[in-house]
Amino acid sequence: AQTVTQSQPEMSVQEAETVTLSCTYDTSESDYYLFWYKQPPSRQMILVIRQEAYKQQNATENRFSVNFQKAAKSFSLKISDSQLGDAAMYFCAYRSFRDDKIIFGKGTRLHILP
Amino acid sequence: SQTIHQWPATLVQPVGSPLSLECTVEGTSNPNLYWYRQAAGRGLQLLFYSVGIGQISSEVPQNLSASRPQDRQFILSSKKLLLSDSGFYLCAWSEGGMVWGGAEQYFGPGTRLTVT
Repeated sequence: AQTVTQSQPEMSVQEAETVTLSCTYDTSESDYYLFWYKQPPSRQMILVIRQEAYKQQNATENRFSVNFQKAAKSFSLKISDSQLGDAAMYFCAYRSFRDDKIIFGKGTRLHILP
Repeated sequence: SQTIHQWPATLVQPVGSPLSLECTVEGTSNPNLYWYRQAAGRGLQLLFYSVGIGQISSEVPQNLSASRPQDRQFILSSKKLLLSDSGFYLCAWSEGGMVWGGAEQYFGPGTRLTVT
């Protein structure tokens, strides 16, 4: 069974600094998607970034980028120039091409220090 | 563009009372629909999902049920609420059909349920 592990329950970063959130996953599939979702205090889940496993290039969305290491089954999220609005719970997630379900990690709570 | 609605936003119900939470999606057809529950400060637990009208898959055995009476409507119900049913309930949708056409899920604003 596929699993997603986020080993950092909480992290803090100074405003304007860079922070990296870690995620590892376990799967025997070769075709899949990986995601990072953000859940701010409003609790609305927001898709931050998506990575297709067949793509070697790391996905980037403005200040958010990922480091996708397929062989190591690692998918970290880097947030550059952290802003107060980045404070949230971040969930790493996995979806196989063959499945309708997404598997979520337990989340990392990110605090931004002014 | 697609939008997803959930109501009510908040609900306080006594133990033993019935429950009905509704989720509707606009701007797409034949979506996959999902119900999640999230306890305070915790991760997401998938409760039910549906790939079509009348097709419901249950992930967790409990006193909740789900129905999909229309293509873009997903309802979460209970006949008798338990204290343990308290939580934040999220509905989500994704593109139906081919997975590579719509892998990600898009979430509604959620319903905060407190069972007293």
